[in-house]
Amino acid sequence: AQTVTQSQPEMSVQEAETVTLSCTYDTSESDYYLFWYKQPPSRQMILVIRQEAYKQQNATENRFSVNFQKAAKSFSLKISDSQLGDAAMYFCAYRANTGNQFYFGTGTSLTVIP
Amino acid sequence: DAGVIQSPRHEVTEMGQEVTLRCKPISGHDYLFWYRQTMMRGLELLIYFNNNVPIDDSGMPEDRFSAKMPNASFSTLKIQPSEPRDSAVYFCASSLRVWTEAFFGQGTRLTVV
Repeated sequence: AQTVTQSQPEMSVQEAETVTLSCTYDTSESDYYLFWYKQPPSRQMILVIRQEAYKQQNATENRFSVNFQKAAKSFSLKISDSQLGDAAMYFCAYRANTGNQFYFGTGTSLTVIP
Repeated sequence: DAGVIQSPRHEVTEMGQEVTLRCKPISGHDYLFWYRQTMMRGLELLIYFNNNVPIDDSGMPEDRFSAKMPNASFSTLKIQPSEPRDSAVYFCASSLRVWTEAFFGQGTRLTVV
């Protein structure tokens, strides 16, 4: 069964600094998709970034980038130049190309310190 | 597109009452998901549909919960009778294809007193 593990329940970062959130997953599939979602206090789930497993190049969206290590089944999120608005719960998610549902991690609560 | 629309945003009901949560997915999306989020259990998948057909309802807690998708633009999640332990935020999400991300609604915060 597919599982997604986020081992850091809470993280904090100084404003303007860089922080990395960890995510590992377990799967026997070779073709799949990985996502990071952000959930601010408003509770809206917002897609931050996605990665296709067949792509070797790490995805980047402005200040957000991932470090995708397929062999290690690791998918970390790096937030550069952290801003107060980045404070939120971050969820890692997995979806197999052969499957239909998403598997979510338990989330990492990020605090940004002014 | 207005995104995934859920109603109501908040619902407070008394134990034993029937509760119906509503969801309008993004037009053209093939998949619709219902999730429940609590502090204790995190984000749980309750049920999902593909082309209006329920595919996996193994996450539905018990027979008190039921979900329908009568057409491509509307789904309901019903709890009858409701219990205090059903208090949670319920999310609806839709996805265009199997390889695309899920777009979430703003959720319904349900409180059963």
